[in-house]
Amino acid sequence: QSALTQPRSVSGSPGQSVTISCTGTSSDVGAYNYVSWYQQHPGKAPKLMIYDVSKRPSGVPDRFSGSKSGNTASLTISGLQADDEADYYCCSYAGSYTFGFGGGSKLTVL
Amino acid sequence: QVQLQESGPGLVKPSETLSLTCTVAGGSISSYYWSWIRQPPGKGLEWIGYIYYTGTTNSNPSLKSRVTISVDTSKNQFSLKLSSVTAADTAVYFCARHGPHVGWYNWFDPWGRGTLVTVSS
Repeated sequence: QSALTQPRSVSGSPGQSVTISCTGTSSDVGAYNYVSWYQQHPGKAPKLMIYDVSKRPSGVPDRFSGSKSGNTASLTISGLQADDEADYYCCSYAGSYTFGFGGGSKLTVL
Repeated sequence: QVQLQESGPGLVKPSETLSLTCTVAGGSISSYYWSWIRQPPGKGLEWIGYIYYTGTTNSNPSLKSRVTISVDTSKNQFSLKLSSVTAADTAVYFCARHGPHVGWYNWFDPWGRGTLVTVSS
């Protein structure tokens, strides 16, 4: 069982927006502004897309944005493109120098 | 640009110890935090543990009793040992750096390409 809960699948048409949720507890997501998001294409290593809830690393398009409310963090992808089709994982600092990941969400671009 | 490469046996027998090494190229292992993360086939990611170049470590409570992480700064490498493995430990094992600069960061970037370890007799 994963530490954080994500929907197993989400979908959207090209150009649309989708939001992936990541629900934790008051001991992880709710306690710290240290949620990160990773994109993983099949057979590849995960790629950092968002860190510290809403910050984007250099090179990540501004179509990707992150937010948090209470114990739930969210990743929103606007202007969906075919290459956005991938698995997405959230991760939260959980205190005591430990981390938890979500179970992953498969994004399908219709 | 720093690159990470995992290496080690691809097949380990049940009850034995899984041993992997992560080699850091294009940058120093010193002053950074490094983690091991795994992904069973078709499943999600699981954080295993981290090490600082000084040797300070911590690991996932669910694996703590079986995990040993060590560092060799002279070789720019850090290693993972997971004891008493079972089929449930079959996974792709990734190594990753914490953040872009020296010190503690709560995200992982970059990652190695990962290496598949199968536990089977």
